[in-house]
Amino acid sequence: DAGVIQSPRHEVTEMGQEVTLRCKPISGHDYLFWYRQTMMRGLELLIYFNNNVPIDDSGMPEDRFSAKMPNASFSTLKIQPSEPRDSAVYFCASSPGWETQYFGPGTRLLVL
Amino acid sequence: ILNVEQSPQSLHVQEGDSTNFTCSFPSSNFYALHWYRWETAKSPEALFVMTLNGDEKKKGRISATLNTKEGYSYLYIKGSQPEDSATYLCAPTISGSARQLTFGSGTQLTVLP
Repeated sequence: DAGVIQSPRHEVTEMGQEVTLRCKPISGHDYLFWYRQTMMRGLELLIYFNNNVPIDDSGMPEDRFSAKMPNASFSTLKIQPSEPRDSAVYFCASSPGWETQYFGPGTRLLVL
Repeated sequence: ILNVEQSPQSLHVQEGDSTNFTCSFPSSNFYALHWYRWETAKSPEALFVMTLNGDEKKKGRISATLNTKEGYSYLYIKGSQPEDSATYLCAPTISGSARQLTFGSGTQLTVLP
């Protein structure tokens, strides 16, 4: 298995632009997680899905952030409009259950 | 949000030294404790998942113990090697939220050759 796949790996955009991050989980994993890593707050959970359904989005910082999972093999995290404080590394992870989560390589986002 | 503390924040050791660090977490409603290893420019990689009080897990030169009653876990590395250099994160979960990992800030280990 190729592991969790994220794209793009790097994104540079200007304030106010829409940003879409993509994730393909490991096949057969029922859970998908979106995390954000910053110097100030460390690694924090934004939202997670079970069988494509959002279960807990309490970590999503603002209405500018939205996440979807239209099918078992694809999820998006969208920021609209983006702001410089959104600059961070965004990780997607998937797991078959409550145990080990497998992280993707991350998307490094820079909002100018 | 769980209060998770890891200490020390950073650690430098010589190759061959053994080392250990601590993860502290609330003991109430405990479900599981996860340890992850995170190398620079890579993504976090799972080391252990522990659930039972007194549990001990081992993977090569790395081992971990768990005390759920007092809310702490130790990670030990025996005979540290330069390739052990990484940030080690712990993340407890609570009953009813078994999939929601709350990560500590990590212990950054540097093993000097």
